[in-house]
Amino acid sequence: QKEVEQDPGPLSVPEGAIVSLNCTYSNSAFQYFMWYRQYSRKGPELLMYTYSSGNKEDGRFTAQVDKSSKYISLFIRDSQPSDSATYLCAMRKNSGGSNYKLTFGKGTLLTVNP
Amino acid sequence: DAGVIQSPRHEVTEMGQEVTLRCKPISGHNSLFWYRQTMMRGLELLIYFNNNVPIDDSGMPEDRFSAKMPNASFSTLKIQPSEPRDSAVYFCASIGATGGQPQHFGDGTRLSIL
Repeated sequence: QKEVEQDPGPLSVPEGAIVSLNCTYSNSAFQYFMWYRQYSRKGPELLMYTYSSGNKEDGRFTAQVDKSSKYISLFIRDSQPSDSATYLCAMRKNSGGSNYKLTFGKGTLLTVNP
Repeated sequence: DAGVIQSPRHEVTEMGQEVTLRCKPISGHNSLFWYRQTMMRGLELLIYFNNNVPIDDSGMPEDRFSAKMPNASFSTLKIQPSEPRDSAVYFCASIGATGGQPQHFGDGTRLSIL
């Protein structure tokens, strides 16, 4: 079993829809959880960053972490065609020092149709 | 501010040739990461440096791969000899010393080995 599992999709939704993206993980040592967005032929860029369990909201985006279930989610409200991209979840075990190693999911390809 | 700069953006070469990928991290960042991204395996960490010292190279696939960071503003990833299965997009990312900072990615080098 891979440490981080993510449904690769593809996921296609109409503009304005609510999008739910999810990852599960197996290692309870993960403490920091991130969502990256990657446009075609570009590098990943950080979208959301959360520590431990709970919710975090930023505009149309909400990240949820449930450590008891080892499950994280990203919700996109009022989705726009500009949200079309690959979304990758990422996790980290330690807070700093020399260990910033991230473990990524394989990414979910999202298309928002006008 | 200039982001992480990678060169070349595209590289096409024949099997057996030496390939050198280059990365300039964000000024002031002291950790640098090399990743490889494929459809099959997603984004995988190859090696990361902290203060120019290799910390974790467990992701380097085999001895044909080597990475150096001679100074804080430059790193190389070398493949010698290259093989068709090395074809992928290679990303470099950097991060500052302050805890909680996200990794900043370059736009990658798209490598094709014929």
